[in-house]
Amino acid sequence: EVQVVDSGGALVKPGESLRLSCAASGFNFTNAWMGWVRQAPGKGLEWVCRIKSKTDGGTTDYTAPVQGRFTISRDDSKRTVYLQMNSLKSEDTAIYYCATVLGEGWGQGTLVTVSS
Amino acid sequence: DIQLTQSPSSLSASVGDRVTITCRASQDISNNLVWLQQKPGKAPEALIYAASTLHTGVPSKFSGSGSGTDFILTISSLQPEDFATYYCQHYNTYPYTFGQGTRLETK
Repeated sequence: EVQVVDSGGALVKPGESLRLSCAASGFNFTNAWMGWVRQAPGKGLEWVCRIKSKTDGGTTDYTAPVQGRFTISRDDSKRTVYLQMNSLKSEDTAIYYCATVLGEGWGQGTLVTVSS
Repeated sequence: DIQLTQSPSSLSASVGDRVTITCRASQDISNNLVWLQQKPGKAPEALIYAASTLHTGVPSKFSGSGSGTDFILTISSLQPEDFATYYCQHYNTYPYTFGQGTRLETK
């Protein structure tokens, strides 16, 4: 059974940092392209960033609003993906989902609230 | 960025109906398209990838078709649990983007 469990969301102040984690099982994690998707309250979905498998180069890509502030990484030995979020802004407030690019696994979501 | 436009934005239907949702891409994305279902307060769940391949465990009443710029999601014989919001999403080139969603409501 595919399982993706994301965690680490919290209430933080503007300018602060936060690290999200995503633990995956039940599929070929090593070959999977992984990413983070966010959904602001009452809004649609936005693909925040993506990391390819190491065999495909491990390349990372980011959506423009988070470029230079967020960093995605993976530890295949732990079957875990991380999202380091720095210089957080109020507009980063959202539920963050970890997901495989092809969609076979989605986390349950973790809430990040950026507010003073 | 590639834009995805879904139609309709909302749809009223009855249990037992067959419905179709379309997704149009602003440029050719081959078959690099996922369809997802999201229920209120829940995480999205992917139904279909590669435009027409069902994910494991997804009922065969869901089907997808299309390639290039025009795609269709068909749901046959609607059941109460199918009333939800549906999104298309491409993974052709980054940035991946989603359609604005189609809210399927009970008539």
